[in-house]
Amino acid sequence: QVQLVESGGGVVQPGRSLRLSCAASGFTFSSYGMHWVRQAPGKGLEWVAGIWYDGSKKNYGESVKGRFTISRDDSKDTVYLQMNSLGAEDTAVYYCARDLVLAASSNWFDSWGQGTLVTVSS
Amino acid sequence: DIQMTQSPSSVSASVGDRVTITCRASQAISSWLAWYQQKPGKAPKVLIYAASILQSGVPSRFSGSGSGTDFTLTISSLQPEDFATYYCQQANSFPLTFGGGTKVEIK
Repeated sequence: QVQLVESGGGVVQPGRSLRLSCAASGFTFSSYGMHWVRQAPGKGLEWVAGIWYDGSKKNYGESVKGRFTISRDDSKDTVYLQMNSLGAEDTAVYYCARDLVLAASSNWFDSWGQGTLVTVSS
Repeated sequence: DIQMTQSPSSVSASVGDRVTITCRASQAISSWLAWYQQKPGKAPKVLIYAASILQSGVPSRFSGSGSGTDFTLTISSLQPEDFATYYCQQANSFPLTFGGGTKVEIK
């Protein structure tokens, strides 16, 4: 079955960088767009970034644009989120999620990982 | 950015009740809307997409309607496993945005 496993979270100082990974299995990874969605403690969901199934397009939320970069390695069935210039406002559980539609971009999410917690604190 | 406003922010209901949650978009999004259910400590789960299409495996007591700016999620007969927080999400344009959530609590 579809499985998404995030890793790379942890405690990081303000201004530093962190890279999250999401390893996929159980489906043809190269045929699906992938996204990152975050949730600050006790708060709602915020879409962070998305990458098309073929990697041709990337989109970002306003609060992370210019600081975060999404990428994918289809040879490793993995999507990444490089996060730079982190601030306290980036503290959240980060989920990776699969696009609902095969070989297209519906921008809805049908499978989610368990999440990885990023805490930005000195 | 398109703002998504959900109401109510919380609702208390009993098992067997009919529950309706609304979501309003700040501009027309056609049918580019999904609904998710999230339980504490868990990842969200998609219930409805394209405003009214039930995701495979989701019980038929869940239904969605609406287009343009106004949307509704209805649970026809609330079950114990339905107590959770529900979010709407627009996929009409970037950045993708979620509503603030509606917590369905036990009365």
